Amino acid sequence: GAGVSQSPSNKVTEKGKDVELRCDPISGHTALYWYRQSLGQGLEFLIYFQGNSAPDKSGLPSDRFSAERTGGSVSTLTIQRTQQEDSAVYLCASSFGRIEQFFGPGTRLTVL
Amino acid sequence: GQQLNQSPQSMFIQEGEDVSMNCTSSSIFNTWLWYKQDPGEGPVLLIALYKAGELTSNGRLTAQFGITRKDSFLNISASIPSDVGIYFCAGPYNNAGNMLTFGGGTRLMVKP
Repeated sequence: GAGVSQSPSNKVTEKGKDVELRCDPISGHTALYWYRQSLGQGLEFLIYFQGNSAPDKSGLPSDRFSAERTGGSVSTLTIQRTQQEDSAVYLCASSFGRIEQFFGPGTRLTVL
Repeated sequence: GQQLNQSPQSMFIQEGEDVSMNCTSSSIFNTWLWYKQDPGEGPVLLIALYKAGELTSNGRLTAQFGITRKDSFLNISASIPSDVGIYFCAGPYNNAGNMLTFGGGTRLMVKP
């Protein structure tokens, strides 16, 4: 079956602009996660959705970051007023609500 | 949150050699995961460990959950060129929920 997909694969934007990153999880997975990976670094947890529960936003670095998940499936991560330090690869993962997660290919964001 | 330290940070090995890497945590974990990431792709789950002392294999890969519950080890036997990539250990983020915290990775480079 299809894995986790993300779009766009690459995004270049100017400082101060807003960006939206999309994630399509594996069909039937109840949990969805967003992580950020800076160049040469490990992954940093951002936000977690589980079913219809309120999301866990404890990893979001600032209030410029937000995410929503519509219909328990597709998720959009929005970064407002982008800054150069937001440049990173943004990875989405999904799971059946267990800790083992399956990752998408990521969106590489470059803020000029 | 917890700190995960991986070592070595990078290594060159000769094809056919065995490889060992490890990961230590500042706190006790009840689950350890090992992922591999190829360039331009998301991490792929290799092995999951659920119990202290557990030893689990996946082909040429073997991972162990340390008995102190603060460390884990990954071994690759008879390395081949396609083993090149970055290996990440991961454990529960703040020991709650299913979010993950990641180590900084071990970059494996194989001399052909």
